[in-house]
Amino acid sequence: GEDVEQSLFLSVREGDSSVINCTYTDSSSTYLYWYKQEPGAGLQLLTYIFSNMDMKQDQRLTVLLNKKDKHLSLRIADTQTGDSAIYFCAEKGDWNQGGKLIFGQGTELSVKP
Amino acid sequence: SQTIHQWPATLVQPVGSPLSLECTVEGTSNPNLYWYRQAAGRGLQLLFYSVGIGQISSEVPQNLSASRPQDRQFILSSKKLLLSDSGFYLCAWSASLAIPSGNTIYFGEGSWLTVV
Repeated sequence: GEDVEQSLFLSVREGDSSVINCTYTDSSSTYLYWYKQEPGAGLQLLTYIFSNMDMKQDQRLTVLLNKKDKHLSLRIADTQTGDSAIYFCAEKGDWNQGGKLIFGQGTELSVKP
Repeated sequence: SQTIHQWPATLVQPVGSPLSLECTVEGTSNPNLYWYRQAAGRGLQLLFYSVGIGQISSEVPQNLSASRPQDRQFILSSKKLLLSDSGFYLCAWSASLAIPSGNTIYFGEGSWLTVV
């Protein structure tokens, strides 16, 4: 079945890089996503990567995909206190299931000044 | 541009009372629509999705139901709430999967439900 796993917590110092890791099980996933959730708010799409790509960079965000190991990571450069939030990794489910997303449990990023 | 609205933002309901959460999407047509629930443990669970008017797929058996009376309107309901229905409910949409932008799903701001 489909499953996405993430570590629950990550703590970094302001200015350092943060790396949030994720593993998934469905090798047929075509798209993988990173969402950010601030306290009490909905989910904000940060970025996504197509499965035929190894890397995608968008300003301070770098996504790395190792399809062989089914491993996805999100690197945030120069992490700021405003980056403190929960980050969710998600994979796209079956085409015939409305393109639903399967989410990990989320990684809570704490940025210390 | 497309926007998604969800209401009410917060509600406190007694056990056994009915529930209606509403979600509308603007700026697009024939979207795929989703209801997710986020319990206190943080994980996101897909409850329902819809690929068209009147077409509802349920992911888990539960005390809730969903309806899509119009193309861009998605409603989550219950006839009698249980304590276990408490949580954060998120509506989401994506464009039709037939076009490239259909691969991204966008979320509303969520509705906090506390059943007491």
